Amino acid sequence: DTGVSQNPRHKITKRGQNVTFRCDPISEHNRLYWYRQTLGQGPEFLTYFQNEAQLEKSRLLSDRFSAERPKGSFSTLEIQRTEQGDSAMYLCASSLVWWAGGARGSPLHFGNGTRLTVT
Amino acid sequence: EDKVVQSPLSLVVHEGDTVTLNCSYEVTNFRSLLWYKQEKKAPTFLFMLTSSGIEKKSGRLSSILDKKELFSILNITATQTGDSAIYLCAGRESAGNMLTFGGGTRLMVKP
Repeated sequence: DTGVSQNPRHKITKRGQNVTFRCDPISEHNRLYWYRQTLGQGPEFLTYFQNEAQLEKSRLLSDRFSAERPKGSFSTLEIQRTEQGDSAMYLCASSLVWWAGGARGSPLHFGNGTRLTVT
Repeated sequence: EDKVVQSPLSLVVHEGDTVTLNCSYEVTNFRSLLWYKQEKKAPTFLFMLTSSGIEKKSGRLSSILDKKELFSILNITATQTGDSAIYLCAGRESAGNMLTFGGGTRLMVKP
């Protein structure tokens, strides 16, 4: 399967614990995005990377959230001191961006997400 | 702040009906409008629209963009139960930047 892969699929944790999620993008994609989706809502942007550089972070991304993409391939999203409000589906997506007389971008392709439940 | 609004919030139809889903957007430095279908897990890509007035088609689905009025529609003809899903639209600021999603339209197609 050459799509976007996320692990784990589900995570149940107690409030105050730290959790880490992993995303493996489509191999030729240079952009990687993290989104959060709660029930009945569309996905909300959290952050994105161009190769290993984190280029933008949403104000939704509090200090307890950190994301890395150390070698420009897979990425991790860590949430420290989890709160019940962090319960959501965390989606990762990737795309290819290239320059040809201006920036061009492929559609984002999403993984199946990690569903986090904080009790 | 960028905003994308979809209507209706939900829709129940019977197999064979035609549906039209609406998406209006306010996106700074708008570049393109994307439609996704979300069943139980990952949103799956349907269309990316960059130019006004050019209809994109894929089987029974079609979509068009109006950049003057800042909206897009997604049409599904001869609906089937397998079309039941949440349909998401998203505005993109420029070629590589993140998407701003609407809240989705939940479509249920009854046999």
